[in-house]
Amino acid sequence: GAGVSQSPRYKVAKRGQDVALRCDPISGHVSLFWYQQALGQGPEFLTYFQNEAQLDKSGLPSDRFFAERPEGSVSTLKIQRTQQEDSAVYLCASSQFSSTDTQYFGPGTRLTVL
Amino acid sequence: GQQVMQIPQYQHVQEGEDFTTYCNSSTTLSNIQWYKQRPGGHPVFLIQLVKSGEVKKQKRLTFQFGEAKKNSSLHITATQTTDVGTYFCAGEGNTDKLIFGTGTRLQVFP
Repeated sequence: GAGVSQSPRYKVAKRGQDVALRCDPISGHVSLFWYQQALGQGPEFLTYFQNEAQLDKSGLPSDRFFAERPEGSVSTLKIQRTQQEDSAVYLCASSQFSSTDTQYFGPGTRLTVL
Repeated sequence: GQQVMQIPQYQHVQEGEDFTTYCNSSTTLSNIQWYKQRPGGHPVFLIQLVKSGEVKKQKRLTFQFGEAKKNSSLHITATQTTDVGTYFCAGEGNTDKLIFGTGTRLQVFP
């Protein structure tokens, strides 16, 4: 594809609901990253995939957060039993090969938990 | 853990003035990247620096990587209103992940 796409762009959830956020990376990109960006802050690393392998999930804030990339392309970030502190923009980025390559960001999903 | 700080947090300048943001890491970096994020937008890659003491230029933007590979700076000459946004540095240490700085938000008044 022309760029990284994410859906939905906006999501409002009631506290306790589960949400699923989707990322379509640039076609052929090996690496995929998820970040969380709170208002006025820089993106914070959540997790990293190389193809279908999740190589680093050290940034996931709790066991309510789960990410997968089963076929090495599209990825889904799932948040179970959402809490108000989960409200943020969730950014997905992909790079051609490794984490040292340029990362191309998607437009993000703005999650608001009421 | 690794931390990356940027100063200043905010900078307001008159169009035509220069602007500099400074980035400092608590640990030595293998490389540093700079991103620009427009209001309501997503980070867009600007440049990557790898070598100690490296200086790179992109039109009015000058990027430097410190000799100790723990700090970096971005300087914009003669700012324009199109330069408005938040500038983030992002450093890669001895892990696979980028640690983003706190960002400097630039506002340019015409």
